[in-house]
Amino acid sequence: QKEVEQDPGPLSVPEGAIVSLNCTYSNSAFQYFMWYRQYSRKGPELLMYTYSSGNKEDGRFTAQVDKSSKYISLFIRDSQPSDSATYLCAMGRGAQKLVFGQGTRLTINP
Amino acid sequence: KAGVTQTPRYLIKTRGQQVTLSCSPISGHRSVSWYQQTPGQGLQFLFEYFSETQRNKGNFPGRFSGRQFSNSRSEMNVSTLELGDSALYLCASSDGQGDEKLFFGSGTQLSVL
Repeated sequence: QKEVEQDPGPLSVPEGAIVSLNCTYSNSAFQYFMWYRQYSRKGPELLMYTYSSGNKEDGRFTAQVDKSSKYISLFIRDSQPSDSATYLCAMGRGAQKLVFGQGTRLTINP
Repeated sequence: KAGVTQTPRYLIKTRGQQVTLSCSPISGHRSVSWYQQTPGQGLQFLFEYFSETQRNKGNFPGRFSGRQFSNSRSEMNVSTLELGDSALYLCASSDGQGDEKLFFGSGTQLSVL
């Protein structure tokens, strides 16, 4: 079993829809939770960062962490075609060694 | 502030050769990490350097090695290349103080023929 599980998709939704992306994990030592966005032929870009449990909102993006269920989510409101990318969840425990999910390929259709 | 710079962007090598990839971190960042990204395995951690010392290492064979210079720039070397080494190699920098925020370069796409 992988430490971090993420549905690779692909996921295709119409413009303006709410998108929900999720990851589950098995290592209860993880304290840092991140979402990265990766466009084709580019490196991952840090999108959201959360320490421990709770919610964080940044514009159209909301990240949620539920440590009791070992489950994290990223919500995208009013999705735009420019949001089309691969979204990777990542987790760490302060050891400078992030563990990444497989990534979910998302397409927003105009 | 300039981002993480990786060179070259693309490389084509043949089996048995060796290759060196270069990474310049964000100014002021002392930690450099390397990851391998493939469609099948996703992003996998190779190693991390902080102040010229390897601080963490992933589960890759000894053919994969790296180093960091006093100016924080880093190089990664792969010897005796295998077909399975074809991948996007990503370098990421951070301030190394433990918050785990990594900032990635655009990567070097290595193809082994």
